[in-house]
Amino acid sequence: EVQLVESGGGLVRPGGSLTLSCLASGFTFSSHAMHWVRQAPGKGLEFVSGISFNGGDISYGDSVKGRFTISRDNYKRTLFLQMTSLRPEDTAVYYCVKEWSSWSPYFDYWGQGTLLTVSS
Amino acid sequence: EIVLRQSPGTLSVSPGERATLSCRASQSINNNYLAWYQQKPGQAPRLLIYDVSSRATGIPDRFSGSGSGTDFTLTISRLEPEDFAVYYCQRYGASPTFGQGTKVDFK
Repeated sequence: EVQLVESGGGLVRPGGSLTLSCLASGFTFSSHAMHWVRQAPGKGLEFVSGISFNGGDISYGDSVKGRFTISRDNYKRTLFLQMTSLRPEDTAVYYCVKEWSSWSPYFDYWGQGTLLTVSS
Repeated sequence: EIVLRQSPGTLSVSPGERATLSCRASQSINNNYLAWYQQKPGQAPRLLIYDVSSRATGIPDRFSGSGSGTDFTLTISRLEPEDFAVYYCQRYGASPTFGQGTKVDFK
């Protein structure tokens, strides 16, 4: 069974930093691209960042470019999202998402999410 | 960036009725890279449809997807009580984007 378990969310002051983690199991982590998608309270889904299976290809949504960094450790089956210069508008549930394959890159499994609150 | 617009914002239907949800893209979507997700309150989104019309594992056949180019549709043939939720379309691949969602609620 595929499981994606996010951790690291919490309350951070504006301008602060935080790193989210996602521990994966139930599939060959090193063979799949992974993504972060967020959802602000009461709002829709927003792509944050994605990373290819080997970390060689990385993309970011416009709203986080230059502030967030995605990375992965295939030996530890863990995905990371380093977030700096945090703003109140970054407040959201952050989901770790698995991509099916490079030839059909839809998002087939989602974690339960971790809540980040940016507030003074 | 491709913008996806979903309509209606809210769809009020009764159990057993048919629901038709629309997703319109600002540019033609290549490779059929269009998916639909269902989200219930307090839960993560769940994949329903990928590649425009392929049902994900375990998804009942009352859910179907269709369309091409810029216009796509999710149809729920006979609504069950557990189908009342928010539905999002998504263009995946490079720079993935989501529609703003359609809420299906009780009439």
